[in-house]
Amino acid sequence: EVQLGESGGGLVQPGRSLRLSCTASGFTFGDYAMSWVRQAPGKGLEWVGFIRSKGYGGTTEYAASVKGRFTISRDDSKNIAYLQMNSLKTEDTAVYYCTRDIDPRGFDIYYYMDVWGKGTTVTVSS
Amino acid sequence: EIVLTQSPDTLSLSPGERATLSCRASQSVSSSSLAWYQLKPGQAPRLLIYGVSTRATGIPDRFSGSGSPTDFTLTISRLEPEDFAVYYCQQYGSSPRTFGQGTKVEIK
Repeated sequence: EVQLGESGGGLVQPGRSLRLSCTASGFTFGDYAMSWVRQAPGKGLEWVGFIRSKGYGGTTEYAASVKGRFTISRDDSKNIAYLQMNSLKTEDTAVYYCTRDIDPRGFDIYYYMDVWGKGTTVTVSS
Repeated sequence: EIVLTQSPDTLSLSPGERATLSCRASQSVSSSSLAWYQLKPGQAPRLLIYGVSTRATGIPDRFSGSGSPTDFTLTISRLEPEDFAVYYCQQYGSSPRTFGQGTKVEIK
């Protein structure tokens, strides 16, 4: 069964750092791009960023709201994607989901999220 | 960036009724790159539709998607008890990928 599981959430003070992990199982992790999506309390979904598979260069893209503060990486040998969050702000408080991304046409452009984890909660507060 | 506006915010219906959810884009969505997701509390979100109208694996045929290039619709032909949830549209044809604000389908 294809599964994603997030971990590493918790309570953190503004300005501090936190690293989230996304552990994958049931598929060849290295073949897929992965994204992080968040949902702040009472709000909708916001795409945070993604990392391509090594086959497409393993490069990353980020939302403007987190660019320069958040970094996505992956360890294909462990089937884990990471979200390193630095200089956290209260507005980063959210449930963070990791997703498996797929671009069936292979253009490395049109990625949608076909598998999601259940999410992990990050609370940024003093 | 492309802004997606969903309507209505809340849809109050009874089981067995038809649900029609709308998603309007601020500009044309490239290459029919629109998806719909279902969110329920405590569960992993689920992909329902991609490419405007293609159902994801395992999604019942009571779910259907249509529209283009700026106006899209998710239709649930006959609501089952498990369909009461929040639904989000998303465009993935241009960066950044953006979501609508969601439509909650609640039991009347």
